[in-house]
Amino acid sequence: GAVVSQHPSRVICKSGTSVKIECRSLDFQATTMFWYRQFPKQSLMLMATSNEGSKATYEQGVEKDKFLINHASLTLSTLTVTSAHPEDSSFYICSARDKVAVIFGPGTRLLVL
Amino acid sequence: GQQLNQSPQSMFIQEGEDVSMNCTSSSIFNTWLWYKQEPGEGPVLLIALYKAGELTSNGRLTAQFGITRKDSFLNISASIPSDVGIYFCAGPKYSGAGSYQLTFGKGTKLSVIP
Repeated sequence: GAVVSQHPSRVICKSGTSVKIECRSLDFQATTMFWYRQFPKQSLMLMATSNEGSKATYEQGVEKDKFLINHASLTLSTLTVTSAHPEDSSFYICSARDKVAVIFGPGTRLLVL
Repeated sequence: GQQLNQSPQSMFIQEGEDVSMNCTSSSIFNTWLWYKQEPGEGPVLLIALYKAGELTSNGRLTAQFGITRKDSFLNISASIPSDVGIYFCAGPKYSGAGSYQLTFGKGTKLSVIP
């Protein structure tokens, strides 16, 4: 079946550094991918919609210059958290639509020290 | 905007018991999805509902799409320890040109006592 992978699964970084998270659709092409953030004991909050070959669409309150999204191919979208701060520590999850459903990646746990 | 209200927020049940959780909305949804999320993992799709009134099963799981298209329930029969997790309902929020994003409920956390 359709699978979405994410890399890395966990990352710890120092405050002020940038972190890149990759989201790949395996065995299917995804013109649209979605990036979510999930804080402990909370639901998933959509951050942005990543569109292959065009600019991402960001949800209200999400800074596009801080969360850079690149969707360079039909199977890869990247989220870069620039100048990360401790409040950016969270669980970041991507998803992609195949023909019938939205498939989620396994998530990336980011800890900013 | 469209919001999904899930209840209960959490539940503790004995292994072997049946479980029921539901999701309501003030807006109509054309599709309802039920996901399960285990700690440190992304959500996994359990059941998708596409028609009002539809009743769909997936093993011990049964979900129904309400006639009004504003609610859905998920039942788990004969619960087992591996049913532990957070169950989310989700519905699409259309943004034009056939594209949509998912709106999630806040989740129901299920704990199963062996």
